[in-house]
Amino acid sequence: EVQLVESGGGLVQPGRSLRLSCAASGFTFDDYAMHWVRQAPGKGLEWVSGISWNSGSTGYADSVKGRFTISRDNAKNSLYLQMNSLRAEDTALYYCAKDIDFDYWGQGTLVTVSS
Amino acid sequence: QLVLTQSPSASASLGASVKLTCTLSSGHSSYAIAWHQQQPEKGPRYLMKLNSDGSHSKGDGIPDRFSGSSSGAERYLTISSLQSEDEADYYCQTWGTGLWVFGGGTKLTVL
Repeated sequence: EVQLVESGGGLVQPGRSLRLSCAASGFTFDDYAMHWVRQAPGKGLEWVSGISWNSGSTGYADSVKGRFTISRDNAKNSLYLQMNSLRAEDTALYYCAKDIDFDYWGQGTLVTVSS
Repeated sequence: QLVLTQSPSASASLGASVKLTCTLSSGHSSYAIAWHQQQPEKGPRYLMKLNSDGSHSKGDGIPDRFSGSSSGAERYLTISSLQSEDEADYYCQTWGTGLWVFGGGTKLTVL
């Protein structure tokens, strides 16, 4: 059974940093690209960032480019999102998702940016 | 620019069928998409990948009531024999070179 479990969310002040993790199981992790998707309260889904199977290619939404960094550790079956210079508008539920068409999702981890 | 357009809302009666539409922006009519369902207070769930020729592959455990079809730049999700648990937000999603895009979502109300 495929499982994606996010962690690392919390309350953080504007300008500070946070690192999210996603632990994957039930599939061959290093065969697939992985993504982060977020959902602000009461809003729709927004793709944040993606990384290829071997970390050779990464992509970012314009809203986070230069502030967020995606990475993965295939030996640990884990995906990460380093979030720097956080803003109030980054407040959202952050999901990790598998493959090009997001065929599996985690349950999400909540990030709240507020003073 | 790669954009997906969805109607904000739709409604249909219990037991009936409904067809939701996702429209690809000009120049992108050959793109595949994926459909995702988000029930109230839950995370998204993958429904299917839908190709431009209408062929589709559904996710694990997705009932036969859910099907997809395509016509030009339009991608459709048809839900038949509507049940109360089908009341949810439905998002289409696609991908380009280094870019992934969601539609704004359609809120489906089951009457």
